[in-house]
Amino acid sequence: KAGVTQTPRYLIKTRGQQVTLSCSPISGHRSVSWYQQTPGQGLQFLFEYFSETQRNKGNFPGRFSGRQFSNSRSEMNVSTLELGDSALYLCASSRSGQGTEAFFGQGTRLTVV
Amino acid sequence: GIQVEQSPPDLILQEGANSTLRCNFSDSVNNLQWFHQNPWGQLINLFYIPSGTKQNGRLSATTVATERYSLLYISSSQTTDSGVYFCAVNLVQGAQKLVFGQGTRLTINP
Repeated sequence: KAGVTQTPRYLIKTRGQQVTLSCSPISGHRSVSWYQQTPGQGLQFLFEYFSETQRNKGNFPGRFSGRQFSNSRSEMNVSTLELGDSALYLCASSRSGQGTEAFFGQGTRLTVV
Repeated sequence: GIQVEQSPPDLILQEGANSTLRCNFSDSVNNLQWFHQNPWGQLINLFYIPSGTKQNGRLSATTVATERYSLLYISSSQTTDSGVYFCAVNLVQGAQKLVFGQGTRLTINP
């Protein structure tokens, strides 16, 4: 059974650009959530999608957005990149959310220069 | 919001030693998970343990939900156990929003 797949694994972007990250959940899982990990702030929740609807959102500016497709794959987008957006972005999938076990992908490491 | 505190922040042990990592949380939760973050950044699932006790090889975990804490035990540590261990809780009914502790960095020396 394939795990959670995130692409790309590494990205280098210039300040002001925008970036799109992709996450394919485990087959049969309908909840996808996104997290940002930085040395200073640790792991922080960005948002969660279930059945193509954003069900919950963390405390991040509107530059961070996401969506989910009918096959449960999800993308997150960051516009107008800032140096502080440099981080490891992790995606998690779970069967239904609602406290069910979450499984994480390998992450996308974004560097903004 | 809910607070999740892990202790100790750092732990250095010799190979073969046993260790106990603690996770305290400030509110009722409907999920608690323990993860090991590998050197490449991936979070590896160790336990899904909203309550009770579970064991998997040299690792075991106990969550006492009524007292709002969880413990992760590692016995006969190996150098491959090194890394950062996170606990995370979910308290939102009907949604998935994990709140993570700051982690315990475990170093096992040969």
